[in-house]
Amino acid sequence: KAGVTQTPRYLIKTRGQQVTLSCSPISGHRSVSWYQQTPGQGLQFLFEYFSETQRNKGNFPGRFSGRQFSNSRSEMNVSTLELGDSALYLCASSFNQASNEKLFFGSGTQLSVL
Amino acid sequence: AQSVTQLDSHVSVSEGTPVLLRCNYSSSYSPSLFWYVQHPNKGLQLLLKYTSAATLVKGINGFEAEFKKSETSFHLTKPSAHMSDAAEYFCVVSDNRLGSARQLTFGSGTQLTVLP
Repeated sequence: KAGVTQTPRYLIKTRGQQVTLSCSPISGHRSVSWYQQTPGQGLQFLFEYFSETQRNKGNFPGRFSGRQFSNSRSEMNVSTLELGDSALYLCASSFNQASNEKLFFGSGTQLSVL
Repeated sequence: AQSVTQLDSHVSVSEGTPVLLRCNYSSSYSPSLFWYVQHPNKGLQLLLKYTSAATLVKGINGFEAEFKKSETSFHLTKPSAHMSDAAEYFCVVSDNRLGSARQLTFGSGTQLTVLP
């Protein structure tokens, strides 16, 4: 069974640009969550999608958005990039939304904003 | 509200000696607790989880953790460290409020170094 796949692996953008990151969950998983990981702030929750609906959202500005498609694949978009958006963006999938559910993580997309 | 505190940002042990990574949590409800490990340039992998069954939880690669409600702790241990255990470890808490959306809170991480 293929794991969680995130593309691209690395991205370099400049301030003001926008970026779209992609996440393909494990086959059969319906929940996809996104996290931002930085050395200073650690792992912070961005949002969670389940059956194409955003079910939960962290404390990030509206520049961060996402969506989920009918095949459970998810995309995350960041508009008007800022230097502080440089981070490793991790996607995780699970079969459902239960709070005790195991999460399966992808290897992440490393975003550098210059 | 929930929170998790990993008491050590860095831990160094010698290969073959015991590992102890400390985690304290706070939760208004009966929590689910997890330990995840992250190797360099990789995503996180679940080591073990506690979900109100046995208080001593056994995980992969010889790791285990004990849930102590009176101490609000969930420390991770391993009897004998291996070089491949060198990684960053995250303690995670999720409250189990009925009907609520899942909320995971990650600790700040503990970097484990294993010396030869």
